Amino acid sequence: DIVMTQSPLSLPVTPGEPASISCRSSQSLLNSNGYNCLDWYLQKPGQPPQLLIYLGSSRASGVPDRFSGSASGTDFTLKISRVEAEDVGVYYCMQGLQTPYIFGQGTKVEIK
Amino acid sequence: EVQLVESGGGLVQPGGSLRLSCAASGFTFSTYWMSWVRQAPGKGLEWVATIRPDGGEKYYVDSVKGRFTISRDNAKSSVYLQMNSLRAEDTAVYYCARGIGRIVGATPHYGGFDSWGQGTLVTGSS
Repeated sequence: DIVMTQSPLSLPVTPGEPASISCRSSQSLLNSNGYNCLDWYLQKPGQPPQLLIYLGSSRASGVPDRFSGSASGTDFTLKISRVEAEDVGVYYCMQGLQTPYIFGQGTKVEIK
Repeated sequence: EVQLVESGGGLVQPGGSLRLSCAASGFTFSTYWMSWVRQAPGKGLEWVATIRPDGGEKYYVDSVKGRFTISRDNAKSSVYLQMNSLRAEDTAVYYCARGIGRIVGATPHYGGFDSWGQGTLVTGSS
C-alpha cells in the first residue's frame, strides 16, 4: 500500500498570512496520462470533507483561488496565499492512483 | 445541485448486519464511480469501498473484504453498502462520496471525491 505522510499535524495561522501543508507519498502517484492522482480535502468543524484540489494542482469547482496545489516528485504542497478565518479545519491529502485509496493523517489548521 | 443523502445507520451488536443507502440527485449518476468513506470518532478519514459506474468492478479496503458489499442501482440513482459481521472497530460516520472519477464518452476521468453526503453514524456495540 502507498503510505501518505503529512506535515505538520498542527498549524496555527494568522489571518491574512500565507500557510502551507506538505504531503509525501511513498511512491510515485503519476498515472498513465502523466498526472498526479493526489487530492486535497478540507473538513471544517462538524461538516463532511470537501474537495479542494485534485490531480495535484487543479482547483475543484467553487474553491477560492487563494488555494493552490503543487508537486515535486513524491512531495506535494497545499498553499493558502492569505488565510481567512473560514479556512480553519482539518486538511487531508489523499492518493487516488490505486486502491486502497489512502488519506494522510490530517493537518489541523487553527487561528492563532 | 448535487445531493447525496445517506440513511440506514444505527446501533448494531457485534456480529450484526446493517445496510446503508445513499440517494443521489442533481447529476447523471450512471456516469460516476461512487464510494463510501468512513471516519471513526475523533479520527481521520478512511476509504472503504468504490464501485464502477456500471457496477462491474468493486474495490474494498482489506479490513472489510468479505464482510461489506458495495452495490448500486442506476435506475434509482442509489448506492448501497451492505455491512455484515460488524465489529466494534467499524464504528464510524459513513460518508457517501461521488468519485473517484466519471466516464466522459468512453473515457474515464479522474476527479477525486468531489461531492459528499452529510454522513450516517454506525455504532457497533453491545
